[in-house]
Amino acid sequence: EVQLVESGGGLVQPGSSLKLSCVASGFTFSNYGMNWIRQAPKKGLEWIALIYYDSSNKYYADSVKGRFTISRDNSKNTLYLEMNSLRSEDTAMYYCAKTVEAGSFDYWGQGVMVTVSS
Amino acid sequence: DIVLTQSPALAVSLGQRATISCKTNQNVDYYGNSYMHWYQQKPGQQPKLLIYLASNLASGIPARFSGRGSGTDFTLTIDPVEADDTATYYCQQSRNLPWTFGGGTKLELK
Repeated sequence: EVQLVESGGGLVQPGSSLKLSCVASGFTFSNYGMNWIRQAPKKGLEWIALIYYDSSNKYYADSVKGRFTISRDNSKNTLYLEMNSLRSEDTAMYYCAKTVEAGSFDYWGQGVMVTVSS
Repeated sequence: DIVLTQSPALAVSLGQRATISCKTNQNVDYYGNSYMHWYQQKPGQQPKLLIYLASNLASGIPARFSGRGSGTDFTLTIDPVEADDTATYYCQQSRNLPWTFGGGTKLELK
């Protein structure tokens, strides 16, 4: 059974940093691209970052480019999102999601909440 | 960026057909495939993939769900609608980065 379990969220002040993790199981993690997707309270879904299976390519939404960094450790089956210079508009549920060749997200984690507030 | 437009809400009766539309401002077809996907999200849960590449049913999804369309116009159909289908439905394109989602359509029962 595929499982994606996020952790590392919480309440932080504007301008601070946070690092999210997503531990994967039930599939060969090193064979698949992985993503972070977020959802602000009562809002829709926003894709924010993609990392290829071998970390050879990384892509970001303009809203987080230069502030967030996606990375992975295939030896630990773990995906990361390092978030710097956090803003109130970064407040959201953050999901990690496995991607397949067509660019759809076939498995999602349960999400981790990040709240940026003073 | 490719913009996806969905109607905010739809109300249907149990046992009837629900048709949810998604329109894009750019063609999402490429080499014979339409890079459009559909998700269901229930309150407090993560989204679930229903349809990939416009018309392919994801694993474990009942055949009541179907998708069609090409180019810039796509639809998700649920027929017949069951009580458990009340949720918000999102379309998503993967033709170009940044990958983008529609605003979601909330399906309610009459």
